[in-house]
Amino acid sequence: EILLTQSPATLSVSPGERAILSCRASQSVSSSQFAWYQQKPGQTPRLLIYATSTRATGIPDRFSGSGSGTDFTLTISSLQSEDFAVYYCHQYNFWPRTFGLGTKVEIK
Amino acid sequence: LQLQESGPGLVKPSETLSLICTVPGGSFNSSGYYWAWIRQAPGKGLEWIGSIYYSGSTFYNPSLKSRVRISVDMSKTQFSLRLTYVTAADTSLYYCVRHRSLGPFDMWGQGTRVTVSS
Repeated sequence: EILLTQSPATLSVSPGERAILSCRASQSVSSSQFAWYQQKPGQTPRLLIYATSTRATGIPDRFSGSGSGTDFTLTISSLQSEDFAVYYCHQYNFWPRTFGLGTKVEIK
Repeated sequence: LQLQESGPGLVKPSETLSLICTVPGGSFNSSGYYWAWIRQAPGKGLEWIGSIYYSGSTFYNPSLKSRVRISVDMSKTQFSLRLTYVTAADTSLYYCVRHRSLGPFDMWGQGTRVTVSS
């Protein structure tokens, strides 16, 4: 099973600042099969990024993904109020499908 | 297009949790789509339970494999989850989700909350 370790667990950021979230896999994952989701309180997770760097439909370009092998990054270039949420990384390269434990982005 | 979960919100310990997901539209038996269950315990992260292809082939989370069964009902464009011998640790919000064979979870239901309690 691929273990995904997200850091930090909580990220305190001021609106307008940049946020960088990390996800490390326990073994190499194809960059074609790596994704990020956003979940706001009381809401369903929403696909943000797939194939490491491709934004899902309707996702603004302040969200970007990068990485390869075992290290992946989600960058939010200028945080808006609606971006404060929990972000999960996810690999769909191998069964079982796995998620990281999440990074909570909170208002500083 | 919205997936819709249904089922009891309360299950007794040691009994079987049964949920159904209804898939509207014509994508249910489209080649390439898998249908999955994911759960989220209160205040916790996401846990993939298992996936089924419309043809019936399944993949399960090894941590739950001995207790889980996912099946499809093509005539009703539904798929279902059965989880046996539940405990309080199975109390979660259960989502039904769509994905392609090598694709992310791109369509989610609203989730249904299941509490295990006597």
